[in-house]
Amino acid sequence: DIQMTQSPSTLSASVGDRVTVTCRASQSISTWLAWYQQKPGKAPKLLISKASSLESGVPSRFSGSGSGTEFTLTISSLQPDDFATYYCQHYKDYLLTFGGGTKVEIK
Amino acid sequence: QVQLQESGPGLVKPSETLSLTCSVSGDSVSSGTYYWGWIRQPPGKGLEWIAYIHYSGSTKSNPSLKSRVTISLDTSKNQFSLKLSSVTAADTAVYYCARVVFSGNYPDYFDYWGQGTLVTVSS
Repeated sequence: DIQMTQSPSTLSASVGDRVTVTCRASQSISTWLAWYQQKPGKAPKLLISKASSLESGVPSRFSGSGSGTEFTLTISSLQPDDFATYYCQHYKDYLLTFGGGTKVEIK
Repeated sequence: QVQLQESGPGLVKPSETLSLTCSVSGDSVSSGTYYWGWIRQPPGKGLEWIAYIHYSGSTKSNPSLKSRVTISLDTSKNQFSLKLSSVTAADTAVYYCARVVFSGNYPDYFDYWGQGTLVTVSS
């Protein structure tokens, strides 16, 4: 099975900061990677698919990059609404797996 | 606007079978364009994919749960369902249903999610 490792598990940042979350795969997954945002008590919300394709309606301060085994989610200027937990998710061999999550907290 | 809504018992006894239904509006589970899936999240923990199903009857389950999972479609009601047998306290979680986008012949990501329903396993 492919393991997805997200880092950091927790990130403390201030409004306006540039924030980067990393997801590493134990083997190449090409660009089969999605990113989700989850707020407490809510369902996850799709932000990015295919590693870098921003979903309609998602603010442009969010961006995704990477291929193969290393991927990043970047928030260019953190806004109050962005404090949440972020998950990566990949596909391999018809199986779907989520990373462990990164909680973005207020510094 | 696609909407999904989970329903089912909030409390299940150990060793019994957990049964949940997802009602879909704004799309048809029989259109064949998408797959339909279940994901769960234990309290305070991360997300775990459970299974997905296609109108064609094609299904796939997480190997860690495979022997206990049954997923099915009811096209007449535009719903799909999950059954998880022999539950233990470790199956206590918020269960989400979601639409699965396929790219080519491969499952890719979940674009629409239900609000989730908490299922507690306890006697």
